Amino acid sequence: KNQVEQSPQSLIILEGKNCTLQCNYTVSPFSNLRWYKQDTGRGPVSLTIMTFSENTKSNGRYTATLDADTKQSSLHITASQLSDSASYICVVSARNTDKLIFGTGTRLQVFP
Amino acid sequence: NAGVTQTPKFQVLKTGQSMTLQCAQDMNHEYMSWYRQDPGMGLRLIHYSVGAGITDQGEVPNGYNVSRSTTEDFPLRLLSAAPSQTSVYFCASSYVYGSQGPPYEQYFGPGTRLTVT
Repeated sequence: KNQVEQSPQSLIILEGKNCTLQCNYTVSPFSNLRWYKQDTGRGPVSLTIMTFSENTKSNGRYTATLDADTKQSSLHITASQLSDSASYICVVSARNTDKLIFGTGTRLQVFP
Repeated sequence: NAGVTQTPKFQVLKTGQSMTLQCAQDMNHEYMSWYRQDPGMGLRLIHYSVGAGITDQGEVPNGYNVSRSTTEDFPLRLLSAAPSQTSVYFCASSYVYGSQGPPYEQYFGPGTRLTVT
């Protein structure tokens, strides 16, 4: 069964610190992997999209990595800001179904 | 360019009532979809459309209907609301459907929070 699992479920860090969120998937055949940021009460907003041939992609202070062999991805946030407080959702697309499979997200809280 | 808009933002229904959640996009996107988001679960696909006049079922379609008469609009109808339909509903759109070409960005609306009592 195609699944996407994220860890940790929640994370608290101090402003200015770095953090890394993890995503493991069992989706096959793999098409692409996306990371979304969802602020409370809002819809998800895309941070990065990576295909099979890409193993890293950055968007400002956000850097996503992809290891298609181990079916793992990570999202690294550098020098966190209060505005980074949100849920971060990993989404994987399977080539045969063209559907997006969503993880349950990691809830990040950044405190001053 | 308003992107993806949804109305209403909040709604409370009684069991058995029907209603329509509105979704519109002004980006001329072919692909539109509806998701529901429940605590502790990933977003789940309800229905989707690859173009005007074409709709199909997603993962959790029971109790919902959709239509796509124009490129811009993709309303979601709850036929007879049940407490199990209490959720946050998101509409999304993108240029193309499918994973054969480069993946296109999917844009989400702000959501409709629905409570069924």
